[in-house]
Amino acid sequence: GAVVSQHPSWVICKSGTSVKIECRSLDFQATTMFWYRQFPKQSLMLMATSNEGSKATYEQGVEKDKFLINHASLTLSTLTVTSAHPEDSSFYICSAPQGSSGYGYTFGSGTRLTVV
Amino acid sequence: SQQGEEDPQALSIQEGENATMNCSYKTSINNLQWYRQNSGRGLVHLILIRSNEREKHSGRLRVTLDTSKKSSSLLITASRAADTASYFCATGGQSGGYNKLIFGAGTRLAVHP
Repeated sequence: GAVVSQHPSWVICKSGTSVKIECRSLDFQATTMFWYRQFPKQSLMLMATSNEGSKATYEQGVEKDKFLINHASLTLSTLTVTSAHPEDSSFYICSAPQGSSGYGYTFGSGTRLTVV
Repeated sequence: SQQGEEDPQALSIQEGENATMNCSYKTSINNLQWYRQNSGRGLVHLILIRSNEREKHSGRLRVTLDTSKKSSSLLITASRAADTASYFCATGGQSGGYNKLIFGAGTRLAVHP
């Protein structure tokens, strides 16, 4: 089946630094990638939708300059958390739809970000 | 914004018992999906039910959909300790032509041996 590989699985960084999270579609082309954030014991909140070759679409309340999304190829989308602060500590998950129907979605395994 | 609420928020049962989780949503849908998430991991797709379907089965899973009440339920029969996880319903919305999934609050299920 379709696989989305997400790296790193966990990262600890210092306040003020930037962290890049990668999601690669291994056996299919992902023209779209959804990025979610999940706080402990809470649901997934959609942050943004990345589209290959064009600008990402951000959900209301999500800072574009803080969460930089790049989707330069059909198999790679990246999320960069810039100038990270402790409140950015969270679980970040990517997801790509499969097929034109949009019914099937494949999720990455998630990245646990801890900002100290 | 999240689509709706799920109840219960947490459910604790013994192995062999059935677990029922409910989900409500707010807008019209084309389909509703259920996902499972083990602690600190990604999501695994369990089952999809279309808006013109009322019930669907997959192994020990049974999903119902009531579009008049904008609600769905997930039943896990004969639960096992390995079923311990969080379960989320999700509905598809569209933004700029892409189908984005909006998740419910989730139910944390604990199955005790």
